[in-house]
Amino acid sequence: EAGVTQSPTHLIKTRGQQVTLRCSPISGHTSVYWYQQALGLGLQFLLWYDEGEERNRGNFPPRFSGRQFPNYSSELNVNALELEDSALYLCASSLAGDRAPYEQYFGPGTRLTVT
Amino acid sequence: AQSVAQPEDQVNVAEGNPLTVKCTYSVSGNPYLFWYVQYPNRGLQFLLKYITGDNLVKGSYGFEAEFNKSQTSFHLKKPSALVSDSALYFCAVRALYGNNRLAFGKGNQVVVIP
Repeated sequence: EAGVTQSPTHLIKTRGQQVTLRCSPISGHTSVYWYQQALGLGLQFLLWYDEGEERNRGNFPPRFSGRQFPNYSSELNVNALELEDSALYLCASSLAGDRAPYEQYFGPGTRLTVT
Repeated sequence: AQSVAQPEDQVNVAEGNPLTVKCTYSVSGNPYLFWYVQYPNRGLQFLLKYITGDNLVKGSYGFEAEFNKSQTSFHLKKPSALVSDSALYFCAVRALYGNNRLAFGKGNQVVVIP
């Protein structure tokens, strides 16, 4: 069974640019999550999508946005990039349901460097 | 809001010795608790979870964790550490209801010395 896949693996952008990161969940998973792992800040929750809708959002500015497609894949968009956006962006997927204790399975991440 | 504390930055242990990685949590109501491991330049791999029931949870690669409600702890353990267990370990918690977001600790670097 294929795991969570993310693209691209690495990305270098300059300040002010925009970036789109992509994620494909495990087959059968309808929930997709995005996390930011920045040096010294640990793993921070960004967004949760389920059945095409944004269910919850972490403490990030509006220039972080995303969407989930009918096939449950997802995109994370970051506008007006800042130096502090440099981080590993991790996507995870799980079976659906906010009452179910399903574990989240993570992809390998996209390393974003902003110069 | 839920949160996790992993008090030690690095845990050094000799190969073959018991390994313990500490985690305490804070959450409203009953918690769901998870342990993940991250190898260099890789995503997080799920190790085990506590939902309800037996306080001792067994997971992948010989790891287990003990849930202690009175101490709000969920320490990860392995009876005999291997060099290949050297990695970054994350404890995470989510609330029973409300949302699926995981709150992670800052992680513990485990170094197993041959």
